[in-house]
Amino acid sequence: AQSVTQLDSQVPVFEEAPVELRCNYSSSVSVYLFWYVQYPNQGLQLLLKYLSGSTLVKSINGFEAEFNKSQTSFHLRKPSVHISDTAEYFCAVSLNSGYALNFGKGTSLLVTP
Amino acid sequence: GAGVSQSPRYKVAKRGQDVALRCDPISGHVSLFWYQQALGQGPEFLTYFQNEAQLDKSGLPSDRFFAERPEGSVSTLKIQRTQQEDSAVYLCASSFSDSSGNTIYFGEGSWLTVV
Repeated sequence: AQSVTQLDSQVPVFEEAPVELRCNYSSSVSVYLFWYVQYPNQGLQLLLKYLSGSTLVKSINGFEAEFNKSQTSFHLRKPSVHISDTAEYFCAVSLNSGYALNFGKGTSLLVTP
Repeated sequence: GAGVSQSPRYKVAKRGQDVALRCDPISGHVSLFWYQQALGQGPEFLTYFQNEAQLDKSGLPSDRFFAERPEGSVSTLKIQRTQQEDSAVYLCASSFSDSSGNTIYFGEGSWLTVV
């Protein structure tokens, strides 16, 4: 079975500062990796995903994540955050032969002026 | 509609009451999922449908939980004799195909509070 660990439950950061949200996974087989974002009072939205190919994947709003197989990590980064990035961020993994997502417990990103 | 639609958005049930939660997936989506998200936790997988077939129900926490998708479109999650520990947000999600790695689209959830 695969599992996901998000090491930080809350990350406070000032506007325009860089941020990294950490995600580690455990699996004995190949996996796909995802980051979902949940804005207040909204549903989960896919931010970015890694399936294969380049280990660095990017979203349209400036986030990026790098798949590191040796460290079994998929950390999410943004060089300069906005107030509007305040949300709950979930890392998830699925087997590349499967369908269901296994989620981490989430990291609450709070961006303040 | 454009997205996954769930109803009711909010439900307060008395302990022991039966509840039914409805999900309208995105039109044409083959795969449908139900997840349970307790307060402060990530979503937990409950069950998976491919069209009308329930292929995996391994995440359903007890036999009080039942899900169906009789015509391969709308799905209903039913919880019988609700208990306080059933209080959670129930998320429905759908995907265009059954291929792993396909984007899964989530609804806004049905918030269930059992009192």
